[in-house]
Amino acid sequence: QKEVEQDPGPLSVPEGAIVSLNCTYSNSAFQYFMWYRQYSRKGPELLMYTYSSGNKEDGRFTAQVDKSSKYISLFIRDSQPSDSATYLCATTPSGNTPLVFGKGTRLSVIA
Amino acid sequence: DTGVSQDPRHKITKRGQNVTFRCDPISEHNRLYWYRQTLGQGPEFLTYFQNEAQLEKSRLLSDRFSAERPKGSFSTLEIQRTEQGDSAMYLCASVAFTGGRSSYEQYFGPGTRLTVT
Repeated sequence: QKEVEQDPGPLSVPEGAIVSLNCTYSNSAFQYFMWYRQYSRKGPELLMYTYSSGNKEDGRFTAQVDKSSKYISLFIRDSQPSDSATYLCATTPSGNTPLVFGKGTRLSVIA
Repeated sequence: DTGVSQDPRHKITKRGQNVTFRCDPISEHNRLYWYRQTLGQGPEFLTYFQNEAQLEKSRLLSDRFSAERPKGSFSTLEIQRTEQGDSAMYLCASVAFTGGRSSYEQYFGPGTRLTVT
């Protein structure tokens, strides 16, 4: 079992839809949770960063962490075609350990 | 541009050749990470530096791979005797690590895509 599981999709939604992207993880020591967006043939771009459980909102994006169920979510409101990309969840127990990534979910937002 | 830069962006090489990639981190970022990403997978950790010290290496980093960060600024990743299985995107990320919670945010470069024929 991989430490971070993420459904690779692809996920296709109409423009304006609310998108829900999810990951599960197995290591209860993970404390820091990130979401990265990666366009084709580009490097990952940091979208959201949260520490421990709770919610964090930034514009159309909301990140949620539920440590009791080891579940990470990213919600995108009013999705746009420019949101079409691969979304990667990542986590780490501490600043002295590298990030562990999910496989990424490929999202297409159709105009 | 003050982001992480990587050079070259794309490298095609024949099996058995040596290749070297360069990463220039965000100025004054003291930590630098190397990851490898294959098609349909998330990035996998290879190694990281704090300043010029290499602090950790993954088991993925075989003895054909070597990385340096000689002056604590740019870093190089060399692969000797390349194999077709080395074909991947090699990503570099940097962090201004201070020990505070916000210092875990890693900023990635555009990657170097290696194709071994």
